Parts: sequence; C-alpha cells; structure tokens
Amino acid sequence: EVQLVESGGGFVQSGGSLRLSCAASGFTFSRYWMTWVRHTPGKGLEWVANIKEDGSARNYVDSVKGRFTISRDNAKNSLYLHMNSLRAEDTAVYYCARDRSDLDYWGQGTLVTVSS
Amino acid sequence: SYELTQPPSVSVSPGQSARITCSGDALPKRYAYWYHQKSGQAPVLVIYEDTKRPSGIPERFSGSSSGTMATLTISGAQVEDEADYYCYSTDSSDSHGLWVFGGGTKLTVL
Repeated sequence: EVQLVESGGGFVQSGGSLRLSCAASGFTFSRYWMTWVRHTPGKGLEWVANIKEDGSARNYVDSVKGRFTISRDNAKNSLYLHMNSLRAEDTAVYYCARDRSDLDYWGQGTLVTVSS
Repeated sequence: SYELTQPPSVSVSPGQSARITCSGDALPKRYAYWYHQKSGQAPVLVIYEDTKRPSGIPERFSGSSSGTMATLTISGAQVEDEADYYCYSTDSSDSHGLWVFGGGTKLTVL
C-alpha cells in the first residue's frame, strides 16, 4: 500500500525557517518524481515544487524561488522541503504527492503557520 | 505565468448533472487533470489525461476537453460529491516542468 506521511510543520515567526519531511513507503520511491503542494482556505491548492527521480532537476513556483529548496534522499525514501525567509502568505497545509504527471497519491498534510 | 480559470461555484440538485469547466490557453496541447478535496482531507485524483478515470472513482465522473476548455462532468451528482474541485495542468513542453491548479470550484449538491 502506498503511503506518504508528512511531518515538520508548526508555528514559526515571519523570517524563520522550517524543514518539512515526507516519508514514503509501498512503492519504489527512487523511480518517481515527487511534488509539494500547499492548500489555503482562501487561495485553494497551489503547486509549490517538484523534483526528478534522482534529484537532478527541480522546479519551483515563482513565489518560493530562492526561499524554498526541495530535496530527496532515495536511500531513506524521503522527500524534504526546506523553507527559509518564511512569510505570512506561506501559511498553509503542505502536502507531498507522488508525481506521474498526475499526482496519484497524497499524504495527509502538515500545517505550517507563519506569524507576522 | 500560466493560469487556469474555473467558476467559483456550481450548484445542482441531487441526481442532476454537474459540469465544471476549466479554461487555459495550453489545454489544446496539454492534458487536464481533476481533483476533488473535501474539507480537512487530502485531494483525490478523479480524472487524469483529460478523460481517464482512476480505479475506484465512480463511473458518474467523466472528463472531456475541447480547444482551450476542459470539463469535468458528474452525471447524477450525489450529496457525497459536495467538495471543492480543481483542474491541474501545465503549459510546459516538459511534462515535469511548472504546473498550476485552477482556482477551484465549490460544488454544492442540495
């Protein structure tokens, strides 16, 4: 059974940093692109970043470029999102998803709250 | 940056067909994907590659695409179909480039 479990969310002051993790199981992690998506009640779903199977290619939405870094450790079946210079508008539930172009499996999400 | 446009809300009575549209300039060349999200839950893929339905998704869910518009149709909508629906696509020629979601459509069935 495919499972994705996010962790690392929490409360942080504006300008602070957090690292989100996503633990994958039930599939061969190293064979898939992976994606982070965030959700806010006001803006809906927003695609944040994705990373190639071997980590050699990464893409970011403009609003997080230069502040967020997506990475992975295939030996640990883990995906990460390093978030720096956090802003109030980064407050959201962050989901990791397996990426085949469609996002067929999602985690349960982890809440990030940035206080201004 | 690329945008996908959806109506903010659609309302139907139980048993009626619900149609949710998604407009985007690259849709003639790129697939559309559809997700629904119920309050407090993770999104669920309901249609991929314009028209395909994942296993476990009821047959009443169908997708189509023509020109710059993709459409999700729920034939005989049920109360449990109430959710936010999002289309998803890219304007990149690289299938793993930059992607976007539409703004979401709140489906009310009552």
